[in-house]
Amino acid sequence: KQEVTQIPAALSVPEGENLVLNCSFTDSAIYNLQWFRQDPGKGLTSLLLIQSSQREQTSGRLNASLDKSSGRSTLYIAASQPGDSATYLCAVWGNYGQNFVFGPGTRLSVLP
Amino acid sequence: NAGVTQTPKFQVLKTGQSMTLQCAQDMNHNSMYWYRQDPGMGLRLIYYSASEGTTDKGEVPNGYNVSRLNKREFSLRLESAAPSQTSVYFCASSERGRNEQFFGPGTRLTVL
Repeated sequence: KQEVTQIPAALSVPEGENLVLNCSFTDSAIYNLQWFRQDPGKGLTSLLLIQSSQREQTSGRLNASLDKSSGRSTLYIAASQPGDSATYLCAVWGNYGQNFVFGPGTRLSVLP
Repeated sequence: NAGVTQTPKFQVLKTGQSMTLQCAQDMNHNSMYWYRQDPGMGLRLIYYSASEGTTDKGEVPNGYNVSRLNKREFSLRLESAAPSQTSVYFCASSERGRNEQFFGPGTRLTVL
């Protein structure tokens, strides 16, 4: 059974810092991986989707990388801003699965 | 485009009452999903509909029923609500399974 973990559970950084969020999954036979952000009391917003054949995807200040063989993905946020404060979740779709399996999320606070 | 919409936003029920959560999407997506999000448990799949006319159980289907009314709408019904069903419920859709998922704003349900 696929399991997804995210470390750290919470992270607090000063504004302007570059940071990396981690996502690990136990079964490397995945079809794709998606990163989301969730603001308090809101739904999930899709950030990036990486196919298993890709190594990375970029959108603005966000860059997500995927290493299937080691079961890891990282989300890099450049020049962090207070508006980046949110919970970031990763989700994995296995090759033989019928749905995304979600990690517990990393709660990010960017301090002014 | 409104994306994925959910009604109601908030609901309080007494144990044993029934209710239906409504979800609609205007992106012409084939697949739709119902999740619940609980502290410490993350997002868990309740039911999904891979295409119009089909529904399948997810990880935590007990106590729920679903109806894929048409391509746009996917409803979740609680026949006899229990306090363990207190949660935040999210609906999501994607063009097809394995594709990027888009989420609604959620319904906060409290069962007393």
